[in-house]
Amino acid sequence: DTGVSQDPRHKITKRGQNVTFRCDPISEHNRLYWYRQTLGQGPEFLTYFQNEAQLEKSRLLSDRFSAERPKGSFSTLEIQRTEQGDSAMYLCASSLDWRAGTDTQYFGPGTRLTVL
Amino acid sequence: GQQLNQSPQSMFIQEGEDVSMNCTSSSIFNTWLWYKQDPGEGPVLLIALYKAGELTSNGRLTAQFGITRKDSFLNISASIPSDVGIYFCAGQGSGGTSYGKLTFGQGTILTVHP
Repeated sequence: DTGVSQDPRHKITKRGQNVTFRCDPISEHNRLYWYRQTLGQGPEFLTYFQNEAQLEKSRLLSDRFSAERPKGSFSTLEIQRTEQGDSAMYLCASSLDWRAGTDTQYFGPGTRLTVL
Repeated sequence: GQQLNQSPQSMFIQEGEDVSMNCTSSSIFNTWLWYKQDPGEGPVLLIALYKAGELTSNGRLTAQFGITRKDSFLNISASIPSDVGIYFCAGQGSGGTSYGKLTFGQGTILTVHP
């Protein structure tokens, strides 16, 4: 039984560089969510996909952030021109469509980003 | 962004003691969930609650969905050292917002002394 996987687990980058993270959801799940978690806080919603369609983006998702889910399977989150304030844990979660009766989200292990 | 009010912020207990934590919100939610997170890892789902008034157990864990739909609590009975971690409540499906996205509390840090 394969859960949600994320790659890489850790990323250290210099300010101004671009980074890209990947998330592979549970195979039959058609919803995929991205969250950001800073130290001492709960995760905060960034964006989500229903299949390949990006249905909502948070105000937290500045123009430097872009997410894709081109074939409705894996997703990527790219941050351009990273800033020190981008340092956080980036979490991915997946779920079945709520119309199936549940939208319970299962999280991956996260990608820890450190911007120097 | 909006977060739920989760309390207590931290707890230090002896092994074998019972634990109780709760979450309140100014908004109504359609689903409440409880997660546990270990350092450097993603949250792991403990219990999901789908109906107001629902009381659900998972082993030593019991959680309730408040009748007003604005609160939930989690109890852990007979705590053991591996219960150590950060516990988060999350609400889903608040009116006027995305049905799917989760709004999290700030977490309760649980320390269990053997």
